[in-house]
Amino acid sequence: QVQLQESGPGLVKPSQTLSLTCTVSGGSISSGRYYWNWIRQHPGKGLEWIGYIDNSGRTYYNPSLKSRITVSVDTSVNQFSLKLSSVTAADTAVYYCATLSRRSFAVDSWGQGTLVTVSS
Amino acid sequence: QSALTQPASVSGSPGQSITISCTETTSDVGSYNLVSWYQHHPGKAPKLIIFEVNKRPSGVSSRFSGYKSGDTASLTISGLQAEDEADYYCCSFAVSVVFGGGTKLTVL
Repeated sequence: QVQLQESGPGLVKPSQTLSLTCTVSGGSISSGRYYWNWIRQHPGKGLEWIGYIDNSGRTYYNPSLKSRITVSVDTSVNQFSLKLSSVTAADTAVYYCATLSRRSFAVDSWGQGTLVTVSS
Repeated sequence: QSALTQPASVSGSPGQSITISCTETTSDVGSYNLVSWYQHHPGKAPKLIIFEVNKRPSGVSSRFSGYKSGDTASLTISGLQAEDEADYYCCSFAVSVVFGGGTKLTVL
């Protein structure tokens, strides 16, 4: 299993774009073994899948967020990223990057999560 | 996209067994086979405990077991221990990913 670490601003102003990066270690993001996911958890709520990208660059997004999401990969630095535009307070959450195995179709590695607060 | 319904909470005493259900509501019943379960302690990353309905990853206790019948998947935890107190989520994969709402397990 790979190791994942999220990074990015912990505070974003309303209407701006939330940008997070996930650094992958212990494996290549180009390997094709995983789908590279973003998942979030609102305070006191459950897990919400945001979207993923595969090694071919194909993306799949949560329909409820699709119009605001971009997930991309930078293979040169073994990272993948999330951009969420036009944020509101409702986007305040802990954001996790995670791998979904293409063999078991389960999320088998998670980052530690990063809290992003949307506030002016 | 499917929706997965879990009970909000369950409880049990140490040594007992509990079962958490996860019911799929969707028009695409046949896709509900790639079911996984996660244990989530607050402040930590979620942990995979069951995949493909009933398989355990290496290192996960045999006290955790999974089952599916029709549209409902279930997670059973036997021999409850204090450290099992956590939130549990079911998850389904069918091109997109869907999580259940989560179940809070309290060990009395």
